[in-house]
Amino acid sequence: SAVISQKPSRDICQRGTSLTIQCQVDSQVTMMFWYRQQPGQSLTLIATANQGSEATYESGFVIDKFPISRPNLTFSTLTVSNMSPEDSSIYLCSVDLGLETQYFGPGTRLLVL
Amino acid sequence: KNQVEQSPQSLIILEGKNCTLQCNYTVSPFSNLRWYKQDTGRGPVSLTIMTFSENTKSNGRYTATLDADTKQSSLHITASQLSDSASYICVVRVTGFQKLVFGTGTRLLVSP
Repeated sequence: SAVISQKPSRDICQRGTSLTIQCQVDSQVTMMFWYRQQPGQSLTLIATANQGSEATYESGFVIDKFPISRPNLTFSTLTVSNMSPEDSSIYLCSVDLGLETQYFGPGTRLLVL
Repeated sequence: KNQVEQSPQSLIILEGKNCTLQCNYTVSPFSNLRWYKQDTGRGPVSLTIMTFSENTKSNGRYTATLDADTKQSSLHITASQLSDSASYICVVRVTGFQKLVFGTGTRLLVSP
């Protein structure tokens, strides 16, 4: 199994500002994933982050808006840039240990005013 | 188009009662199907995972079934408890890809 922590757990931000979310895993993993869960909706994949390479973004998500870092095999950050109220969501990081089970972090609840 | 649909959208049951949640999918090619429980304000936690050849899997009071022919799955909760109040998400993995297709979830409320 994997233990995943995220910081911050929640935040309230002003529009136009940026927030960086941190994700820490207790074991080394090749692939980490960032998801967004808008109110009342299911999870939507933002991007896949591999250590040592550029993140791969899903349709509708761009690096300028959601830059991702992956400096090592246990850590990643997602930045939500130039925020607007539409960015209010829960942001979750996730890892796949190759055992056919994907583990999720506790999420970061973001409210943009 | 790969899709996962869940029903009902929401459900209220009395503590101690049983309930069944439904999941229909059109994902192809199919690798596995997972049921997750997501408490409010928390990340999803895996309950069960089933491959093409499995048709039943249990995890305590949770029992999942899979009919790969009709592309349907169900999650049965026995003797519900207040702590079962959560969203239950059906997720299907596409063979050969890391991508998961998420259902919109069923929000369950167990009432005392």
